[in-house]
Amino acid sequence: QKEVEQDPGPLSVPEGAIVSLNCTYSNSAFQYFMWYRQYSRKGPELLMYTYSSGNKEDGRFTAQVDKSSKYISLFIRDSQPSDSATYLCAMARMDSSYKLIFGSGTRLLVRP
Amino acid sequence: GAVVSQHPSRVICKSGTSVKIECRSLDFQATTMFWYRQFPKQSLMLMATSNEGSKATYEQGVEKDKFLINHASLTLSTLTVTSAHPEDSSFYICSAARRTPNTEAFFGQGTRLTVV
Repeated sequence: QKEVEQDPGPLSVPEGAIVSLNCTYSNSAFQYFMWYRQYSRKGPELLMYTYSSGNKEDGRFTAQVDKSSKYISLFIRDSQPSDSATYLCAMARMDSSYKLIFGSGTRLLVRP
Repeated sequence: GAVVSQHPSRVICKSGTSVKIECRSLDFQATTMFWYRQFPKQSLMLMATSNEGSKATYEQGVEKDKFLINHASLTLSTLTVTSAHPEDSSFYICSAARRTPNTEAFFGQGTRLTVV
């Protein structure tokens, strides 16, 4: 079993839709949770960073962490064609190595 | 967010030669740097983790003699692909992590390596 599971998609939605992206994980030692956006042939860009369970909002993006269920989500409101990209969840343990473990990424396409 | 610069962005080399890729954290000191490899339409595969002044820790299946990592300072790490072969052609991405103000990792723009 992979430590982090993420549906690869692709996920296709119309412009303006609310997008929900999700990851599940198996290791309860993960304490830091991140969402990255990656455009084709570019390095990943950090979108959201959360430490504890609950919600964190930044503009049109909301990150949600449920440690009891080992489930994290990223919501995108009023989705735009420019949001079309691959979204990767990542998580880390707070130990000496601080190793990021990535999900496989979900390809999102927002249709005009 | 913090800035991580990776150079070169694209390189083509002949089989058997070596290629060096640089990763610099421009506005923060990176306690740890990571090197990833990414195949088309796939996620990032961690190759190795390096802490400044220490030997890199390689993931299982990654040849440490082929992928040489040097982390000489808190702002610079290098990955050298030695005796490159066409199967080494890939997208290589570095990441630099900091502990303050938050524990976060930022990525370089990646290096597209093509071995011919």
